[in-house]
Amino acid sequence: QQPVQSPQAVILREGEDAVINCSSSKALYSVHWYRQKHGEAPIFLMILLKGGEQKGHDKISASFNEKKQQSSLYLTASQLSYSGTYFCGTVGEGSQGNLIFGKGTKLSVKP
Amino acid sequence: DVKVTQSSRYLVKRTGEKVFLECVQDMDHENMFWYRQDPGLGLRLIYFSYDVKMKEKGDIPEGYSVSREKKERFSLILESASTNQTSMYLCASKDGLAPNNEQFFGPGTRLTVL
Repeated sequence: QQPVQSPQAVILREGEDAVINCSSSKALYSVHWYRQKHGEAPIFLMILLKGGEQKGHDKISASFNEKKQQSSLYLTASQLSYSGTYFCGTVGEGSQGNLIFGKGTKLSVKP
Repeated sequence: DVKVTQSSRYLVKRTGEKVFLECVQDMDHENMFWYRQDPGLGLRLIYFSYDVKMKEKGDIPEGYSVSREKKERFSLILESASTNQTSMYLCASKDGLAPNNEQFFGPGTRLTVL
């Protein structure tokens, strides 16, 4: 079942923070985050495994709440280069291991 | 630098034509995937393959078929293109099916069926 992402779209000024959520009604093994710029391939950001871990790279981090089957992506002090559509992909427990993607969150960072 | 390449960035075809979309990866990955991407719907899995000559249906296989004769190449075939198959098509590959393995995407083919 497709995970639900929220919000659908967000507009920020440079330097502002944003949170993107990804929720599933099924038990998850992992959550993958990707960013896609217009006309380009989705680029991998990070994977979170069940166990409630957190990960981060530079000013982008994410968490995975196993009890809620929800992952959140945190963008801190946003930069113009953060603009794009963010997708979460989930792998269900006991599944074949294929990713099921959310509909995406469009992030626009303005100067 | 690892790569997934797709044969065309843009393609325009007529209704009823047979269409081939080609994807090649250079990472020796076992698994390859075809998605279509539509506004407001995200990425939806059409077919995937976990080995040469093996294929599995994804969530929306109707109207499509695939071929994997070599490990590095995965083709998506539209036997008789229709206007509702106008979309962005993304190919991806992955090493094994472990849930924590990264999936690599190609740049996409934007197909327009007139």
